[in-house]
Amino acid sequence: SQKIEQNSEALNIQEGKTATLTCNYTNYSPAYLQWYRQDPGRGPVFLLLIRENEKEKRKERLKVTFDTTLKQSLFHITASQPADSATYLCALTNRYPGTASKLTFGTGTRLQVTL
Amino acid sequence: EPEVTQTPSHQVTQMGQEVILRCVPISNHLYFYWYRQILGQKVEFLVSFYNNEISEKSEIFDDQFSVERPDGSNFTLKIRSTKLEDSAMYFCASSSDRGSYGYTFGSGTRLTVV
Repeated sequence: SQKIEQNSEALNIQEGKTATLTCNYTNYSPAYLQWYRQDPGRGPVFLLLIRENEKEKRKERLKVTFDTTLKQSLFHITASQPADSATYLCALTNRYPGTASKLTFGTGTRLQVTL
Repeated sequence: EPEVTQTPSHQVTQMGQEVILRCVPISNHLYFYWYRQILGQKVEFLVSFYNNEISEKSEIFDDQFSVERPDGSNFTLKIRSTKLEDSAMYFCASSSDRGSYGYTFGSGTRLTVV
């Protein structure tokens, strides 16, 4: 069955450092991978989308890589701030997101940025 | 910025009762979804909806569940006879045909079945 794994343990880093979160998947050939942020008691908020034929995508302090050979995506937040503290979810879909395509989510990694 | 609005934010119901969760998706979006998240677990897909019909549904979305878009703005999820295991956060989401913008989720309805 499809499996999407993210570090289940919380990631604690110091303000100003780069946070790197990992998303690994098995038994899946996603065409698109998305990253979302989720705060406690709130819905996921879209951050970035990367296609299978893209190696890297950037948006401000965020960077995502997508390696279909390793079946892995890395999500980087540079110059991290306490406001970046949240749970980050990766989500996969094998259909173009501009259609009624379902997302399959990972369990998420909780990031804690301290002063 | 446009938002997906969900009501109520919290609903407590007795086992066996019917509940209707309501959502107002973003007005120019075409695709609508319901997801749920049991406390401490991952977000799970329930159903997608397009052009007034279900596009896809998961194994969770059995005969006890139904969705409806009764007018041009609302999108509802009905659970006919709630069970204890239906207790979860239910998220409505919508998306456009411009996939690069991702999906917009509402803040959720916390359903507690007692």
